[in-house]
Amino acid sequence: AQKITQTQPGMFVQEKEAVTLDCTYDTSDPSYGLFWYKQPSSGEMIFLIYQGSYDQQNATEGRYSLNFQKARKSANLVISASQLGDSAMYFCAMREGWGGGYQKVTFGTGTKLQVIP
Amino acid sequence: DAGVTQSPTHLIKTRGQQVTLRCSPKSGHDTVSWYQQALGQGPQFIFQYYEEEERQRGNFPDRFSGHQFPNYSSELNVNALLLGDSALYLCASSFSGEEAFFGQGTRLTVV
Repeated sequence: AQKITQTQPGMFVQEKEAVTLDCTYDTSDPSYGLFWYKQPSSGEMIFLIYQGSYDQQNATEGRYSLNFQKARKSANLVISASQLGDSAMYFCAMREGWGGGYQKVTFGTGTKLQVIP
Repeated sequence: DAGVTQSPTHLIKTRGQQVTLRCSPKSGHDTVSWYQQALGQGPQFIFQYYEEEERQRGNFPDRFSGHQFPNYSSELNVNALLLGDSALYLCASSFSGEEAFFGQGTRLTVV
């Protein structure tokens, strides 16, 4: 079974508009973390935002926010006020376990976001 | 503060050869993980090193091996290269479960 599911292979958004990228996950570990990464064409994975399984509030980092719905096992990324530089692949990932050397991170298949001027 | 650095950035090898990729973690990080990312796919976890030992391993054959040094830097070795090993190899470092930071990757082409 897929541990991380991203159902949107590609998305378009108008510049300055908000966009939501979907992510659902599956784990039986009570301690886990959810990440979003941005991968431009250059290849480097850029960390955007993190949500821990015990965090009570949704994570926010500048224009990025994570809509964490634990009961539904979803962790959608919301990008507000899209910019042309936001065009890239976006990956949702999950870390199971905690502590040094005991984490395994699983990535989804990614969503390609294109921002239209 | 230097982030995660990987070398080399690009590499071309012939089928059957062996390759070594290198990674220096971000300062203060003690855990290094390696990922393989084929074109158009998400990264696949290869293995993770902590305290100079392999702690976790993904579904990769024994041709893939690694090492972590006392300074936390790491190497990924791949023996008997196959055409299917062509991919972007990403190294990520972290500290005790916090978010992982990635290097720019090594693009390996096997011909």
